[in-house]
Amino acid sequence: GGIITQTPKFLIGQEGQKLTLKCQQNFNHDTMYWYRQDSGKGLRLIYYSITENDLQKGDLSEGYDASREKKSSFSLTVTSAQKNEMAVFLCASSMGGNSDYTFGSGTRLLVI
Amino acid sequence: QEKVQQSPESLIVPEGAMSSLNCTFSNSASQSIWWYQQHPGKGPEALISIFSNGNKKEGRLTVYLNRASLHVSLHIRDSQPSDSAVYLCAVSSYGSSGNKLIFGIGTLLSVKP
Repeated sequence: GGIITQTPKFLIGQEGQKLTLKCQQNFNHDTMYWYRQDSGKGLRLIYYSITENDLQKGDLSEGYDASREKKSSFSLTVTSAQKNEMAVFLCASSMGGNSDYTFGSGTRLLVI
Repeated sequence: QEKVQQSPESLIVPEGAMSSLNCTFSNSASQSIWWYQQHPGKGPEALISIFSNGNKKEGRLTVYLNRASLHVSLHIRDSQPSDSAVYLCAVSSYGSSGNKLIFGIGTLLSVKP
């Protein structure tokens, strides 16, 4: 079976800092996604990528950059962390079309 | 922009009871509707999906879809304490830039022994 791994599991940053989150999958899935999960707001799509070197903006892309240099990996950068920001960032992959998503366990971000 | 709303926000049921969760969406032309289960500290896991009007049954799970009323429901028969989790409804939106899922906020299910 495959696995999708997010690193780091926990990330504490300082206001204004640039922070990078990484995601790796070995399912050979074409499409990868980054979602942000806040309490009371559900999952919101930040960026997704339908193939290597492709990037598509989601509804929450402002303040973030993404990179898909290899099919197996998708990274997300918070360009300037906001003070008191606290959220879980979830990476997912899928075969595309109407296939289900496989999610990682998340990176928990706290900005002080 | 697709909107997905779930009710109730939280649900407490005794062990062995039926749990019923609801979801409404805004676009009748949406593709598949998915239900995901999320335990604390974990990512969501896909449970069941439905595309056509009617119902679909898998084990203790039954999903009902009515596209005309933009409504889908998930029913868990013989609920167990291990079913306690957040349940997320997600609607598949397919465009020229690929497929993406739009999620609701979720329903927190607690099954009491």
